[in-house]
Amino acid sequence: SFVLTQPPSVSVAPGKTATITCGGNNIGSKSVHWYQQKPGQAPVLVIYYDSDRPSGIPERFSGSNSGNTATLTISRVEAGDEADYYCQVWDSSSDHVVFGGGTKLTVL
Amino acid sequence: EVQLLESGGGLVQPGGSLRLSCAASGFTFSSSAMAWVRQAPGKGLEWVSGISGSGGNTYYADSVKGRFTISRDNSKNTLYLQMNILGAEDTALYYCAKVVSTAMVYYFDYWGQGTLVTVSS
Repeated sequence: SFVLTQPPSVSVAPGKTATITCGGNNIGSKSVHWYQQKPGQAPVLVIYYDSDRPSGIPERFSGSNSGNTATLTISRVEAGDEADYYCQVWDSSSDHVVFGGGTKLTVL
Repeated sequence: EVQLLESGGGLVQPGGSLRLSCAASGFTFSSSAMAWVRQAPGKGLEWVSGISGSGGNTYYADSVKGRFTISRDNSKNTLYLQMNILGAEDTALYYCAKVVSTAMVYYFDYWGQGTLVTVSS
């Protein structure tokens, strides 16, 4: 089955740029979606189709996907961005949804 | 405004059964695929099951296949998850999610707040 690998944690200072990766075999051939989950809350979609933002999501959130790595980039990080972030794809070979293990973003 | 309200969670003994419900509003329910995603305490997200808008196509994670059944009643705008032969590994917060799907794309644009299932004796 398809596996998505994320770093368990990423730390960044306020105002800097956070980069969260999501690795998978030829993930660039799939559409990757990203979710933000703050403590005690349901996940929220922040990026879909690799790089599109839903309405209401700040432009500071962006995504890219190529080769074996998809990336979520958060520019000018704020304290309120502290959360767990999950990448997700659809594995058409198994008709399964696959989530990455999640990355905890800490704002220093 | 899209709203998804889960219910039916609770404490159940190992080997027992439970049925979760998700009442949907704010969108054309019958036109939208739906899914259940769970999160064990302190763990990540795990997709459980999905169903097409008509209910004709269903999908299951290997961990629940043969034990869980997803269904929907489009006349009641409600999604269900029948869970049988529950084990401790099924203890989790269960989220209902609205799906956006095409042939090669599948993602969740709205989520409920979840209902907690605890399997314990």
